[in-house]
Amino acid sequence: AQSVTQLGSHVSVSEGALVLLRCNYSSSVPPYLFWYVQYPNQGLQLLLKYTTGATLVKGINGFEAEFKKSETSFHLTKPSAHMSDAAEYFCAVSGGNNDMRFGAGTRLTVKP
Amino acid sequence: GAGVSQSPSNKVTEKGKDVELRCDPISGHTALYWYRQSLGQGLEFLIYFQGNSAPDKSGLPSDRFSAERTGGSVSTLTIQRTQQEDSAVYLCASSQAASGKIYEQYFGPGTRLTVT
Repeated sequence: AQSVTQLGSHVSVSEGALVLLRCNYSSSVPPYLFWYVQYPNQGLQLLLKYTTGATLVKGINGFEAEFKKSETSFHLTKPSAHMSDAAEYFCAVSGGNNDMRFGAGTRLTVKP
Repeated sequence: GAGVSQSPSNKVTEKGKDVELRCDPISGHTALYWYRQSLGQGLEFLIYFQGNSAPDKSGLPSDRFSAERTGGSVSTLTIQRTQQEDSAVYLCASSQAASGKIYEQYFGPGTRLTVT
């Protein structure tokens, strides 16, 4: 079984500051890991995903995440926050059998 | 091409009434998923379809909830005798599916259900 814990339900950063959203996973098999973003009143869209290969994954809008097996983590980062990054971010894990499970989400606020 | 569509976008119903929520997946996507998003609760998995069959119904919260998919396409989530705790946004997603491979899930805009 797979599960995800997102540390911090709310994160607030200043525009131009580093964004760090934390995600730890639990999986009995090698995991596939995802970050999705949900803008207000919209559906979820994929930011990036890790399946196999390179552990540093780059996604859309300047976001990236690093798979660290030893830490069971898949934290999402962006060097410089934009106002347009304000949204809810969801980490998800799958064991490869269409069994994706999502975390509770982290709401990112960007202050001017 | 067209994305995942859901209808209605908003539904207000009285406690005790039945509701049906519809999902039209992306054409050609054989896998279809229903999730429930409650305030502060993240996404709760409800049910997964592969074609018309549902190999994983483990997330349905009670026997008041049921879902079907016909023709390998449209899916309907039915909630009988709605309760106030059923109020949430119900999200549908679809993906290509192949054993041992992982494909991105594409989400619809959701149906916001309010039970009064």
